[in-house]
Amino acid sequence: QQQVKQSPQSLIVQKGGISIINCAYENTAFDYFPWYQQFPGKGPALLIAIRPDVSEKKEGRFTISFNKSAKQFSLHIMDSQPGDSATYFCAASRDYKLSFGAGTTVTVRA
Amino acid sequence: SAVISQKPSRDICQRGTSLTIQCQVDSQVTMMFWYRQQPGQSLTLIATANQGSEATYESGFVIDKFPISRPNLTFSTLTVSNMSPEDSSIYLCSVVVGSTEAFFGQGTRLTVV
Repeated sequence: QQQVKQSPQSLIVQKGGISIINCAYENTAFDYFPWYQQFPGKGPALLIAIRPDVSEKKEGRFTISFNKSAKQFSLHIMDSQPGDSATYFCAASRDYKLSFGAGTTVTVRA
Repeated sequence: SAVISQKPSRDICQRGTSLTIQCQVDSQVTMMFWYRQQPGQSLTLIATANQGSEATYESGFVIDKFPISRPNLTFSTLTVSNMSPEDSSIYLCSVVVGSTEAFFGQGTRLTVV
């Protein structure tokens, strides 16, 4: 049973466009929500993270929006670049243990 | 952050054999975990590697199949025992630094034939 549901499974965006990935969770005990970026053959790299008492966090071109009442959070990639083409995983943490979403493969067309 | 080194980076093993994966961290960390990523899929937590005591396994994973050692705060091993093709996955070591940030090694890509 997947504790974190992620959508879409894949998306294609033009260079300069916005990529949006959505995640939802059920367990209100989760207290930390990171996003990871993974390139083929590499381990996941921490991209950005948020705590549930914050509604939005921005780091460069990456923004997390968090809706605690709806138990949903999303990643926005602004001004998408070909180098952003990767698989993105949302996750939720409880007691430092991560539950991951299924992943979204993002392809940025030049 | 932390620099995490895993060995081997990849291996091809015969079914019925065992493989031990090493994870070395460049600083002392309290929390260390092992995850599995099956081909084209997401990551699933196998167990928490506890220093000086037995590992804590998640549902669906057992010590006989995935024995873990954690002799100190910078090193851990995961053994995949009596392997079958279904064990073909990427195995990842993860550590928590600071209060929450989790970092991953590059992973060990295991193929069982």
